[in-house]
Amino acid sequence: DTEVTQTPKHLVMGMTNKKSLKCEQHMGHRAMYWYKQKAKKPPELMFVYSYEKLSINESVPSRFSPECPNSSLLNLHLHALQPEDSALYLCASSPRQGDAYGYTFGSGTRLTVV
Amino acid sequence: DQQVKQNSPSLSVQEGRISILNCDYTNSMFDYFLWYKKYPAEGPTFLISISSIKDKNEDGRFTVFLNKSAKHLSLHIVPSQPGDSAVYFCAALLQGGSEKLVFGKGTKLTVNP
Repeated sequence: DTEVTQTPKHLVMGMTNKKSLKCEQHMGHRAMYWYKQKAKKPPELMFVYSYEKLSINESVPSRFSPECPNSSLLNLHLHALQPEDSALYLCASSPRQGDAYGYTFGSGTRLTVV
Repeated sequence: DQQVKQNSPSLSVQEGRISILNCDYTNSMFDYFLWYKKYPAEGPTFLISISSIKDKNEDGRFTVFLNKSAKHLSLHIVPSQPGDSAVYFCAALLQGGSEKLVFGKGTKLTVNP
């Protein structure tokens, strides 16, 4: 298995809703990442987990809450989002934090906040 | 400060011809470079990479060239096919450093039949 799987593929949520994005990989990678990508922009790093511990938080607002329950799973909990948070949310993994070889992206979750 | 630059937002080529996508970087400490291809509403797909100790890496129709002295790399696609039409992102990594992939803004390639 050489994939990073993200669910759901599409999500529409209201500003008062609570929802979660899920990311899963079974490649034995010990680093997992959340990125946000707006239209016509490059992916922007949000969080990095290394060995299930939060390693980097790129000053992301607290309405985004990451969680890494185990080495294969990464969640992003969403609460009280704003319409400007609408974007493609990408998960990625790599063998270890900082490894370029094997850095793999999922297909993303298209989030729309209404 | 944009550390990885793709100065051409778009490129259009004819099917069968060569596509050349360019990327410049400012941080001489980057030691690994990657090219990703991205279709709309999908995640980036890894295409090809090159370590800073090499100046060329080839994989089928795709070749990446690295000129360290000029801090420049390019992706060559030969021959170009309509299915290659996508946005191509250049990314750079300082392994063991900040451990962040730094992306360029992307170049939209259109291959015309």
